[in-house]
Amino acid sequence: DQQVKQNSPSLSVQEGRISILNCDYTNSMFDYFLWYKKYPAEGPTFLISISSIKDKNEDGRFTVFLNKSAKHLSLHIVPSQPGDSAVYFCVKSTGNQFYFGTGTSLTVIP
Amino acid sequence: DTAVSQTPKYLVTQMGNDKSIKCEQNLGHDTMYWYKQDSKKFLKIMFSYNNKELIINETVPNRFSPKSPDKAHLNLHINSLELGDSAVYFCASSQELAAYEQYFGPGTRLTVT
Repeated sequence: DQQVKQNSPSLSVQEGRISILNCDYTNSMFDYFLWYKKYPAEGPTFLISISSIKDKNEDGRFTVFLNKSAKHLSLHIVPSQPGDSAVYFCVKSTGNQFYFGTGTSLTVIP
Repeated sequence: DTAVSQTPKYLVTQMGNDKSIKCEQNLGHDTMYWYKQDSKKFLKIMFSYNNKELIINETVPNRFSPKSPDKAHLNLHINSLELGDSAVYFCASSQELAAYEQYFGPGTRLTVT
């Protein structure tokens, strides 16, 4: 039962450009959506969230967009920096449960 | 000063053995979790404890038994290890149940041979 899907396993972007990571989800009305970031040999760390009643949330270089009609979530990173190179997980939070996507590995090329 | 720590970081063992993974958090959080990341990179919750009480117990074999001696610790004991148990196990904590910011440990890579 895959609640969230990240169809792109990897993405490469030039430093300074925009990184766009995508996520599709199954039906949910009263959830939070989250993005977690993971470096090798470390656990995931929380990056940004958005309530299912909002369309956009911004935190510095990171912006998450929620398209409820398309059941689609995206994370924009502008400008991308080499330190952003990591695996990004889309997460649906429903009550006590977290549902992780399989992650997208972002490489920012200097 | 590590917020969520796990020991050991790597664990290699043979089928049939019993092993434990320890987790400690020094954040004063009420809720702790165990996740399993399998070879397909799916990260799935196994257990959730709130104030030392089991809240979530996903479809996990009975061979897996969590133990929470106090709010700061949640250990995972695995009996009769099988090849399919090979995975990375992550411990996490959050301030309260249903909080969306969870703090993860570095993971324990378990290899069963």
